[in-house]
Parts: sequence; structure tokens; C-alpha cells
Amino acid sequence: NAGVTQTPKFQVLKTGQSMTLQCAQDMNHNSMYWYRQDPGMGLRLIYYSASEGTTDKGEVPNGYNVSRLNKREFSLRLESAAPSQTSVYFCASSDRVPETQYFGPGTRLLVL
Amino acid sequence: TQLLEQSPQFLSIQEGENLTVYCNSSSVFSSLQWYRQEPGEGPVLLVTVVTGGEVKKLKRLTFQFGDARKDSSLHITAAQPGDTGLYLCAGPRAGYALNFGKGTSLLVTP
Repeated sequence: NAGVTQTPKFQVLKTGQSMTLQCAQDMNHNSMYWYRQDPGMGLRLIYYSASEGTTDKGEVPNGYNVSRLNKREFSLRLESAAPSQTSVYFCASSDRVPETQYFGPGTRLLVL
Repeated sequence: TQLLEQSPQFLSIQEGENLTVYCNSSSVFSSLQWYRQEPGEGPVLLVTVVTGGEVKKLKRLTFQFGDARKDSSLHITAAQPGDTGLYLCAGPRAGYALNFGKGTSLLVTP
């Protein structure tokens, strides 16, 4: 049982390049989330998908887009990367109230 | 956004010492969660508290939810190097997502 998987684990981009971060879960969860984690800032919600077919903005959505491809997969796209998007990105999924979230191992992104 | 303030921000102690970390808010939460994050990994849920005044124990970790459901604490007895990590509290927000505090970074040295 893999839980939540994320690819890639590490990525270096140049300013202006685009990329997609992939996330998949095998727990049949309805809800999925993207967070970013920066030193001293904690985890901040970028986008979430409460159920298949829906997506909503979180605290810091600017510069990102998401796609809930199916119940298992939720991708995060950076159309034109900026140095301010250097961060560690975590995908999570959940199914119950109160919401226990299961996190992936993270993607470490450096934008030069 | 309902803010969660965690204190202290950093804590460095020796093995065998006791410690308490705090999570405070001006808002009432229906529940609060505590996660632990080890370096290079994603956060992992430790406990969920849902009732005001509730106390939960997980081996050497004791979690308490304030009577007014605005605050919570985590007490570790006889800390061990394996307790090293970032401790995050989190409360529910719209859409089943979570608001996280900024965390307490704990270092336990032998």
C-alpha cells in the first residue's frame, strides 16, 4: 500500500520554465490537497479538491493551476516559474471528518 | 483564515527532559490535530482532539484540548532523540482542508 506518492522528488527550474508536479493516492480518498512549506511559514494551502471534478483555491493560489484528473490523481502546474516559488511542495489526501490528512514525501523545487 | 500560533518556535533539550509545546488561537475549533514531521518527509498525524478539556495519551506524549476549544498543548515526558522533529498543530477550514500553525522544531540530544 503506497499511500500518497509524488513525482518528481527534486527539480531545478529556470525562471519562466513550466512544470507539472504529479500526485497520486491509492486509499480511495475523496479529497486531495496541495501545500507548500517554506522556512518560518509553516504549511500553506495552495489548492484543494474536495471531490473528483471540483477544485478550489487555498491561501496562496497565484502562479499555480491544478487538475483533478480522476479520483486518484491531482496535479499542480507552474506555468511560468518564479524564484518565489522555490519551496517544498506536499500533496495530501483525506476522507473522514475530522480530517486526517495523509501526506506524500514532498517535491523539493528550486527556481533559479 | 483562523490563525494558529505555536510556541516555542524552537526547542533544544537533552534526552530525559520533559517539555511542553503550545498551540493557541483566538478562534474556536471543532477539533485540533497534531502532526510530527521528520526531516525530508511529510507530516504524519499523531492525534486528533475533538472535545473541550479532552486529554489523550500516546505513550510518552500527552495531548490536551482546552476547555474553550481555542488552544491545545503537547507534553512529552522523558524526551528521546527519536522525538526530534517538527511538531505542527492544525485545525479544520472550509473544504475539508487544514490550517496549520508554523510549528515547533524540537531537537533532543543524547
